[in-house]
Amino acid sequence: DAKTTQPTSMDCAEGRAANLPCNHSTISGNEYVYWYRQIHSQGPQYIIHGLKNNETNEMASLIITEDRKSSTLILPHATLRDTAVYYCIVLIQGAQKLVFGQGTRLTINP
Amino acid sequence: NAGVMQNPRHLVRRRGQEARLRCSPMKGHSHVYWYRQLPEEGLKFMVYLQKENIIDESGMPKERFSAEFPKEGPSILRIQQVVRGDSAAYFCASSPRDRANYGYTFGSGTRLTVV
Repeated sequence: DAKTTQPTSMDCAEGRAANLPCNHSTISGNEYVYWYRQIHSQGPQYIIHGLKNNETNEMASLIITEDRKSSTLILPHATLRDTAVYYCIVLIQGAQKLVFGQGTRLTINP
Repeated sequence: NAGVMQNPRHLVRRRGQEARLRCSPMKGHSHVYWYRQLPEEGLKFMVYLQKENIIDESGMPKERFSAEFPKEGPSILRIQQVVRGDSAAYFCASSPRDRANYGYTFGSGTRLTVV
């Protein structure tokens, strides 16, 4: 599976959009981009995933560049409850396990 | 379906005792994964199981740790003769057969404390 690079930490003001970047320059054509988050002391929570096209659900939007070498997770109106560690994971179709990196520690400030 | 159920939520064991952690996957999910998270560290994959089969145990310590997912009942992660270094949060995840199109769902974890 391709390696991902994320900033160690980010801050965002409550009510603003939080944009979390992820680089995956070695991604291959059949690898998906998944995003999970882990709120303190809880199990990881699935947010969104995509292959080529941008995706949106009730939690977030995922913007994947045309060359697929990077992506951005957007939380449109961040709340204090969005404070968590966010993980960007690249996963080949049919892969057997998620491999977590260090993620980005996102802090939403009041 | 309440999701992936793990129990107990908290488990305290003395050094040398056995710890049994249970995980009931979501209805319709036939794949179970166990992860360990040491204090202030990231999530580390331990083992991947399907019903009655261990598919990938590359992250399991070679001794004292075992896992099973029987035909009936929950998946069990068993740690024999626990030591203080086993203190961690253990998370279980499950997925349906078509993993690439559906996310993996995690439980709330079992926090093991060895005293």
